[in-house]
Amino acid sequence: QKEVEQNSGPLSVPEGAIASLNCTYSDRGSQSFFWYRQYSGKSPELIMFIYSNGDKEDGRFTAQLNKASQYVSLLIRDSQPSDSATYLCAVPSGGGADGLTFGKGTHLIIQP
Amino acid sequence: SAVISQKPSRDICQRGTSLTIQCQVDSQVTMMFWYRQQPGQSLTLIATANQGSEATYESGFVIDKFPISRPNLTFSTLTVSNMSPEDSSIYLCSVEDGSRTNAGELFFGEGSRLTVL
Repeated sequence: QKEVEQNSGPLSVPEGAIASLNCTYSDRGSQSFFWYRQYSGKSPELIMFIYSNGDKEDGRFTAQLNKASQYVSLLIRDSQPSDSATYLCAVPSGGGADGLTFGKGTHLIIQP
Repeated sequence: SAVISQKPSRDICQRGTSLTIQCQVDSQVTMMFWYRQQPGQSLTLIATANQGSEATYESGFVIDKFPISRPNLTFSTLTVSNMSPEDSSIYLCSVEDGSRTNAGELFFGEGSRLTVL
């Protein structure tokens, strides 16, 4: 059973600062990694995915992957109050099963 | 991106009853996934529903408790049987984006929030 670990938070960050969200995963064979954002009472939506070691940037979001350390992170620059949400890290379930295995999510609060 | 409609959006149910959740997608998809999100928790995959075959259940979930139908490539149902308060949860239908070359990018319905008394 694949495991995805995240600090549940809450992580409180002042507006305009960089929010750093971290995720570790148990299966060294995982090849792809996903960050979903979930607002309270809403369903998750994909914001970033990464497959290769290093950084991937998309607007204010940067995903960082270190496969040797089995670590993936999400940086949010110039944090806005609208970024306040729960961020879920996910990896493909694999092993003949489809779908994704999700971490428990980190609750991010951006303080105005 | 796929548009997914779920019904009901929420319901309050009595212990011992069963409820069927419907999921309709605006395009044909090979696999549909049913997730559960208990209060304050992350998403747990219940099963994968393929058209024309039996659903594949994850560890801890059984067909008798969560029977699934997949009559065609745009529709699926999940039934929560003989409900207890522990089944109070949000149930989410999801599909992969078939236009993408990389697997794992899921779109989710708005969820069905069940409260069992």
